Amino acid sequence: SAVISQKPSRDICQRGTSLTIQCQVDSQVTMMFWYRQQPGQSLTLIATANQGSEATYESGFVIDKFPISRPNLTFSTLTVSNMSPEDSSIYLCSVIRTAYNEQFFGPGTRLTVL
Amino acid sequence: SQQGEEDPQALSIQEGENATMNCSYKTSINNLQWYRQNSGRGLVHLILIRSNEREKHSGRLRVTLDTSKKSSSLLITASRAADTASYFCATEKGGGADGLTFGKGTHLIIQP
Repeated sequence: SAVISQKPSRDICQRGTSLTIQCQVDSQVTMMFWYRQQPGQSLTLIATANQGSEATYESGFVIDKFPISRPNLTFSTLTVSNMSPEDSSIYLCSVIRTAYNEQFFGPGTRLTVL
Repeated sequence: SQQGEEDPQALSIQEGENATMNCSYKTSINNLQWYRQNSGRGLVHLILIRSNEREKHSGRLRVTLDTSKKSSSLLITASRAADTASYFCATEKGGGADGLTFGKGTHLIIQP
């Protein structure tokens, strides 16, 4: 598997502010992903973060709202910008390991926007 | 329905009984993965089954895959209170190493 950590584990933020979430992996990986899980819902892919290139965003997600950095093969950040209460969710990063593309997830960041 | 949709959405059984959850998907897949999530925490990877496999076991878990019906099932035998969680199936969005599309999940409650 993979050891993946996220910071912060949770936060309560005010409307209009931004929060940057960090994802750290215990070894180098090519592909990292960011997901959102709204309350009581399933997970939705936000974007794919590859080192050395711009992130690829899924339909409904834009770079201005969710800028992503991938400075090296073990680290990525996701920023939730100009937050509103609708952004209250759990945000999770994931990586692919093994030849069969098993995907492993970090513990998540629980964000509440007031 | 969306790719990777589970049923039932909720399931409550007695401890010791078996729990079966089903997942359907729409497009061709290379593999299908099952995850567990306890109380809104991170996802725990349970098992990956490849498209050329029909059945796979891991401890008390048994996963089947029927590519002709585009469906998979997760069986938990001899359930325990600690199995109470939400269970999700997921498939790759593209043909290879890619982000995942998740089903809506099955919330499983094990009654002591």
